Amino acid sequence: DAGITQSPRYKITETGRQVTLMCHQTWSHSYMFWYRQDLGHGLRLIYYSAAADITDKGEVPDGYVVSRSKTENFPLTLESATRSQTSVYFCASSEGVSQPQHFGDGTRLSIL
Amino acid sequence: QKEVEQDPGPLSVPEGAIVSLNCTYSNSAFQYFMWYRQYSRKGPELLMYTYSSGNKEDGRFTAQVDKSSKYISLFIRDSQPSDSATYLCAMTPSNSGNTPLVFGKGTRLSVIA
Repeated sequence: DAGITQSPRYKITETGRQVTLMCHQTWSHSYMFWYRQDLGHGLRLIYYSAAADITDKGEVPDGYVVSRSKTENFPLTLESATRSQTSVYFCASSEGVSQPQHFGDGTRLSIL
Repeated sequence: QKEVEQDPGPLSVPEGAIVSLNCTYSNSAFQYFMWYRQYSRKGPELLMYTYSSGNKEDGRFTAQVDKSSKYISLFIRDSQPSDSATYLCAMTPSNSGNTPLVFGKGTRLSVIA
């Protein structure tokens, strides 16, 4: 089945640690996105990518790093995790940047 | 003012009720409108996708766009407990544009049996 897979589903780590969240899609979509979802804020775009090696900042990029060496993968790295980055992270993909997006089921990240 | 405003709820209705969920927006350039449904501990899934003004119906769901008022609605007829979820609106000026979708914050709906 075509789809989008995020791993891990749950992660607990400590402040200052590096954490990488994985996202893999089998739709062959050009665009991939990372969002965080917090109560009271809704979905906030962190980074997005139009193709391999092309990435753009979203609304809240500080503290995050992305890479896209292969079209199907779009990992998100927190280089030095902070408590304010505790959130649910969603990856999404679409054919075009303004086309409907398909979402993964999220990674619930807790930073202690 | 946020580009897209959506009442967060929660909205609680009895089973069988007609539900109305709404978003207002400020950018008159928006022409493509989407509704997503998000169940607890799941990602959002596309429910409805409409262009410009008018109505679109899909089963018990009707999406309505009023561009003159910058207002979109999602109606759910004969609501079921399985409709309990968070509903997010999203919109964009063009389906071939160069900017990402703008999402509302979502409205939480509970349908009580």
